Amino acid sequence: GEDVEQSLFLSVREGDSSVINCTYTDSSSTYLYWYKQEPGAGLQLLTYIFSNMDMKQDQRLTVLLNKKDKHLSLRIADTQTGDSAIYFCAGEAPPNTPLVFGKGTRLSVIA
Amino acid sequence: GAVVSQHPSRVICKSGTSVKIECRSLDFQATTMFWYRQFPKQSLMLMATSNEGSKATYEQGVEKDKFLINHASLTLSTLTVTSAHPEDSSFYICSAPRDYSYNEQFFGPGTRLTVL
Repeated sequence: GEDVEQSLFLSVREGDSSVINCTYTDSSSTYLYWYKQEPGAGLQLLTYIFSNMDMKQDQRLTVLLNKKDKHLSLRIADTQTGDSAIYFCAGEAPPNTPLVFGKGTRLSVIA
Repeated sequence: GAVVSQHPSRVICKSGTSVKIECRSLDFQATTMFWYRQFPKQSLMLMATSNEGSKATYEQGVEKDKFLINHASLTLSTLTVTSAHPEDSSFYICSAPRDYSYNEQFFGPGTRLTVL
């Protein structure tokens, strides 16, 4: 089955760019997702990318997908203190199946 | 966008009691809902898949007699933690895919269970 790996911690200064990386094993994942979880809250879908795309940009967020290396990244431009949270990447294969999550990357933004 | 709600958001109970958590899809029908458990500083672990009109499918290691799941309608799934113990204290999150073809999943806000 799918296995998703992420680095656990990232610390950046306010205003800098953050890049959160993720690797996955199942190349049949149709969609790959990035979720944000703030303390004590559920998951919020940030963005997703369809597997036939290389890049997707949505305001401050840029998702890069390297299918050959099975590598997914999330870039947050002009990182703000409100971006401090845990970011999960997740992948799935057949529709209507549960997502497989990485362990999450804790982003700390230093003012 | 589609919304999934959970109730209650927080619950504190005594050891040995049972707690019911509701997951509702508010503006779409969900034949399938997923229940996750999250331990502090860990990722989400899938507990079970809730199927409307049929029995839930439990992941390995999850006690089905302890975590009762009922998918009563196309918009409601419930998770009952029976005879709760302190080690059941956790954050429980449900999710529902909106429709088969698109497969965008919507998560509930989560329920924090504390068992004293």
